[in-house]
Amino acid sequence: DAKTTQPTSMDCAEGRAANLPCNHSTISGNEYVYWYRQIHSQGPQYIIHGLKNNETNEMASLIITEDRKSSTLILPHATLRDTAVYYCIVAYNQGGKLIFGQGTELSVKP
Amino acid sequence: GAVVSQHPSRVICKSGTSVKIECRSLDFQATTMFWYRQFPKQSLMLMATSNEGSKATYEQGVEKDKFLINHASLTLSTLTVTSAHPEDSSFYICSASSPQGQGYNEQFFGPGTRLTVL
Repeated sequence: DAKTTQPTSMDCAEGRAANLPCNHSTISGNEYVYWYRQIHSQGPQYIIHGLKNNETNEMASLIITEDRKSSTLILPHATLRDTAVYYCIVAYNQGGKLIFGQGTELSVKP
Repeated sequence: GAVVSQHPSRVICKSGTSVKIECRSLDFQATTMFWYRQFPKQSLMLMATSNEGSKATYEQGVEKDKFLINHASLTLSTLTVTSAHPEDSSFYICSASSPQGQGYNEQFFGPGTRLTVL
């Protein structure tokens, strides 16, 4: 079973920041938090991952709470092309399997 | 990022026939490949993990004799759905991973194969 809990759906206005929460209260010390997204009828796309520190790349920022029991993915300026299902996944590093939960369906609206 | 391709992108077959789906890593060597299945409006379900040159490891509830996986090289894995039936109709997605310099595995996903069994 997936070890994360996410809201089923969220809306965001185009150009605004999209903040997607994820709860992973049973995460173990050496498990990472990964975020992927899946645009309709395509394969998932890697976004970002982190262990304990906040991370930022060209796509998004990942904020992990100090106790590591939850995290937030931030898309700083959402566009219509960011409409997708976003999956928060907890997994081990080397060779870790990715177990997908139901994800959050993000709709970016004009 | 690295590119993973799948072939075919879409296949329709008759009940009882077998279908082979190819997954290729185009610009890197994939030590591990994963196969997923996704039914409409559902999440991805991991079917099996394969390492080059060894037998695949199947997830609980996945029939290894029905879903044959071969990972003969570091750039190619195949999934064969044997004696397909309408309930096997689904979106099949593969991913490939290779250790990165920072020591983590990032999975690169293929575009998926839509299988319809009549």
